[in-house]
Amino acid sequence: SYVLTQPPSVSVAPGETAMITCGGNNIGSKSVHWYQQKPGQAPVLVIYYDSDRPSGIPERFSGSNSGNTATLTISRVEAGDEADYYCQVWDGSSDHLRVFGGGTKLTV
Amino acid sequence: QVQLVESGGGLVKPGGSLRLSCAASGITISDNYMSWIRQAPGKGLEWISYISSRSVYTNYVDSVKGRFTISRDNAKNSLYLQMNSLRAEDTAVYYCAPTKDASGSPFEYWGQGTLVTVSS
Repeated sequence: SYVLTQPPSVSVAPGETAMITCGGNNIGSKSVHWYQQKPGQAPVLVIYYDSDRPSGIPERFSGSNSGNTATLTISRVEAGDEADYYCQVWDGSSDHLRVFGGGTKLTV
Repeated sequence: QVQLVESGGGLVKPGGSLRLSCAASGITISDNYMSWIRQAPGKGLEWISYISSRSVYTNYVDSVKGRFTISRDNAKNSLYLQMNSLRAEDTAVYYCAPTKDASGSPFEYWGQGTLVTVSS
């Protein structure tokens, strides 16, 4: 089955830029979605199809995807961005179809 | 405004059964594929099952195959998950989420989830 690898944690100071990676075999050929989850809350879609932003998501959130790594970038990080972030893809080559990364805890 | 409300969770003994429901409003689920996604305490997200818009296709993660059954009632705008032979490792918050297709579309909407605890 397809595996997505995320760093368990990323720390950044307020106002700096956070980059959260999601590694997978030739992930650049897949569409990657990113979710933000704060404690006790349901996940929220923050980036879809690699780099599109849903309405209501600040422009500070951006995404890229190439080769074996997809990246979620959060510019000018705020305290309210502290959360767990998950990448997700569709893998048509396995029965699991929709795969999540293990998640990254962003600490601000 | 899209709202998804999961229900049916609770405490159940190993080997027991539960039926989860997901009631949707603000969205017509018959236009969507529907999935169940779970999250064990302190762990990450795990997609476990999906059902096509007219129930023709279903699929499951290996760990629940043969034990869980996904179904839907489009007339009631509702999704279900029948869980049998429950194990301790099934303990999790269970979320329902629609997608526009069976492949690459994202989980745009999520409910608040329902907690299933499997323990003796």
